[in-house]
Amino acid sequence: EVQLAESGGGLVQPGGSLRLSCAASGFTFSNHWMSWVRQAPGKGLEWVANIKQDGSEKYYVASVRGRFTISRDNAQNSLYLQMNSLRAEDTAVYYCARLVEVNGYYFDYWGQGTLVTVSS
Amino acid sequence: QSVLTQPPSVSGAPGQRVTISCTGSSSNIGAGYDVHWYQQLPGTAPKLLIYRDTNRPSGVPDRFSGSKSGTSASLAITGLQAEDEADYYCQSYDSGLSGVFGGGTKLTVL
Repeated sequence: EVQLAESGGGLVQPGGSLRLSCAASGFTFSNHWMSWVRQAPGKGLEWVANIKQDGSEKYYVASVRGRFTISRDNAQNSLYLQMNSLRAEDTAVYYCARLVEVNGYYFDYWGQGTLVTVSS
Repeated sequence: QSVLTQPPSVSGAPGQRVTISCTGSSSNIGAGYDVHWYQQLPGTAPKLLIYRDTNRPSGVPDRFSGSKSGTSASLAITGLQAEDEADYYCQSYDSGLSGVFGGGTKLTVL
């Protein structure tokens, strides 16, 4: 059974940093692109970042580019999101998701999410 | 303002049929990229409902179906049930923006 479990969320002050983790199990992690998707309170879904199987390609939504870094450790079956220079508008539940490349791509499995709150 | 446009809400009585539209543009749906749909039950993570326009993952009832034409796509739910009450999101790929979602549609079962 595919499982994705996020951790690392919490309360952080504006300008601060946080590192999210996602532990994957039930599939061959190194065979899949992975993603982070977020959802602000009461709002819709927003794609944040993708990373290729070997980490050689990374893509970000414009609003986080230069502040967030997606990475992975295939030996540990883990996905990460380093978030720096956090802003109030980054407040959201952050989901780890497995990406399937097709004509474009979609997300076939999601974690339960971890809440990040940016506030003073 | 989401790249893909969905109605904020739809409603229907048990047993009825409802549809949710998803309108894009020439850089996403109109460019031929696939459309996918997710169901988010209250307080839970999104779940893949329809992939590649019309396909259902294992375990998704055939009451759910997807279609696409031009720059738009639709999700249809027949035989509406109380447990279908949820938020529904469409998603596609945009040549300039990468992954894009609709703003979401709240389905209320009357």
